[in-house]
Amino acid sequence: DIQMTQSPSTLSASVGDRVTITCRASQRLNNWLAWYQQKPGKAPNLLIYRASTLDSGVPSRFSGSGSVTEFTLTITSLQPDDFATYFCQQYNIYPWTFGQGTKVEIK
Amino acid sequence: EVQLLESGGGLVLPGGSLRLSCAASGFTFSNYAMNWVRQAPGKGLEWVSGISGSGDSTYYVDSVKGRFTVSRDNAINTLYLQMNSLRAEDTAIYYCAKQIVTLWYDVGYFDCWGQGTLVTVS
Repeated sequence: DIQMTQSPSTLSASVGDRVTITCRASQRLNNWLAWYQQKPGKAPNLLIYRASTLDSGVPSRFSGSGSVTEFTLTITSLQPDDFATYFCQQYNIYPWTFGQGTKVEIK
Repeated sequence: EVQLLESGGGLVLPGGSLRLSCAASGFTFSNYAMNWVRQAPGKGLEWVSGISGSGDSTYYVDSVKGRFTVSRDNAINTLYLQMNSLRAEDTAIYYCAKQIVTLWYDVGYFDCWGQGTLVTVS
């Protein structure tokens, strides 16, 4: 199975900060990578697919980049609604696997 | 509006069984592969099972093979997960999740999720 490793596990930031989360895969992904946001007690919500394509309705302050085995999710100017946990997911080779999550908390 | 609503979770003894359901609305259900993804308390996400839009192709993660069975009834827009021989490590919130394609092994990300149903094995 492809192992997905996110860093950091927890990130403390303030409103307005630029935030970057990294996701590393144990095998190359051909950009078949998605990012999700999950708030406490809620289901995950798709943010980005194909490594860098924003899902419909996702604010433009979110962006995804990277290739091969290293990918990043960037939030420019963090908003109060963005404090949540973020997961990456590979869908290049099944079983589809997720990173362990990065919690973005208020500093 | 696309909606997915899970039900059927609960408390069950080790070795017991449960059947989860996911009622779908707002889209042509048979056109899309569907999945079950679980999340143990305070933990990350694990893809458990996928099924093609027609129901004729399925996939299971190794840890549930032989114990779980995914199925769907396209006539009533409902996805199921029959869980047998349950173990403590199966304790989790189970989400149903929709793919954007018909075949589960094709583009494998999830564009819509239900609110989840909690399964506790104890």
